[in-house]
Amino acid sequence: GAGVSQSPSNKVTEKGKDVELRCDPISGHTALYWYRQSLGQGLEFLIYFQGNSAPDKSGLPSDRFSAERTGGSVSTLTIQRTQQEDSAVYLCASSLGGLAGVYEQYFGPGTRLTVT
Amino acid sequence: AQSVAQPEDQVNVAEGNPLTVKCTYSVSGNPYLFWYVQYPNRGLQFLLKYITGDNLVKGSYGFEAEFNKSQTSFHLKKPSALVSDSALYFCAVRGVGSSNTGKLIFGQGTTLQVKP
Repeated sequence: GAGVSQSPSNKVTEKGKDVELRCDPISGHTALYWYRQSLGQGLEFLIYFQGNSAPDKSGLPSDRFSAERTGGSVSTLTIQRTQQEDSAVYLCASSLGGLAGVYEQYFGPGTRLTVT
Repeated sequence: AQSVAQPEDQVNVAEGNPLTVKCTYSVSGNPYLFWYVQYPNRGLQFLLKYITGDNLVKGSYGFEAEFNKSQTSFHLKKPSALVSDSALYFCAVRGVGSSNTGKLIFGQGTTLQVKP
């Protein structure tokens, strides 16, 4: 079946602009995660959605970052007033949900964000 | 706080030889451990996970990992390396306690280079 998809695959933006990154999870997966991969910081957790529960935003690096998940499916990560340090690959993952189980996460190909 | 360490930035092995990629973890309580592989310009692919039970876990592409509670390690192994195994490997632990949202905490990654 279809895996996790992300768009765009590449995004170049000017410092100070806002960007939106999109994630389409695997159908039926109730848990959705955003991570950031950069050379200096490795793979960092950003935010987690599970069903209708309040999201875990503990990994968002600043209030310029926000995310939403509409209808329990598609998610959008928004970065306002982008800075050069925001340049990274943003990875989305989804999994079967519920903390009682230990489910592997399936990752999308990522969006490479470059802030000039 | 939970953490994962991959002490080797790069592992070099000749094709046909056994390979080991090391991982140690620090977590309170019982750990849930994962290995992922990342090929160039691709997202992460799940290889295997340890939840409980048998300390030797078998996964995709002939990989296996050995959980050692006393040494807090979860080393990735393969009896006979292939050139196509060359990639970036990540060890991860799932957050526990107050961090138990299913988010993954990743090691810094180890580049595996298999030479013909």
